[in-house]
Amino acid sequence: DAGITQSPRHKVTETGTPVTLRCHQTENHRYMYWYRQDPGHGLRLIHYSYGVKDTDKGEVSDGYSVSRSKTEDFLLTLESATSSQTSVYFCAISEQGAFGELFFGEGSRLTVL
Amino acid sequence: QKEVEQNSGPLSVPEGAIASLNCTYSDRVSQSFFWYRQYSGKSPELIMSIYSNGDKEDGRFTAQLNKASQYVSLLIRDSQPSDSATYLCAPSTNTGNQFYFGTGTSLTVIP
Repeated sequence: DAGITQSPRHKVTETGTPVTLRCHQTENHRYMYWYRQDPGHGLRLIHYSYGVKDTDKGEVSDGYSVSRSKTEDFLLTLESATSSQTSVYFCAISEQGAFGELFFGEGSRLTVL
Repeated sequence: QKEVEQNSGPLSVPEGAIASLNCTYSDRVSQSFFWYRQYSGKSPELIMSIYSNGDKEDGRFTAQLNKASQYVSLLIRDSQPSDSATYLCAPSTNTGNQFYFGTGTSLTVIP
């Protein structure tokens, strides 16, 4: 199994509070991705990274920011959580970007009350 | 906006039958195509990748790609109850090295 760890795995928070989800990999893969998965919408890309300090937006990036200061860590931050951000968040890594396999973390379930 | 369309299902097939899953995509520059399987409450896992037009077989799974029609499919032969899951189609583009996912097709194999 690919070495990907997401934390926390479960979190309940209140509207307006900041939240940070962490993705840690031990594979030294260049590409890292954050997706959210909601019923009826499938997996939607929030942000991705193609190297240390190199990030770009996905299709649902509003309300989210990311940082990657080390190859192994990719952080997703919700500056002020809203109920619409209640979701399951998956981190994924890829060695070859668009030409290679995505390996997923176990997911982080976030509930915003 | 890149779109990936899959029949949401649920698709039910008897054990031992062939399950056929279909996917169409809008991005003409997509070069790589992946099928992921996701069990309920779990994360997706890769089952097939295909890069060229035609068929690619791996055990009981066959992926078929037609870039001109922007269509990719997955056939599962001799379906087993353990194949019951949601199957996600994911074309990718080297424009930004992004993957786009369909909403998935839910498959149930009935013993």
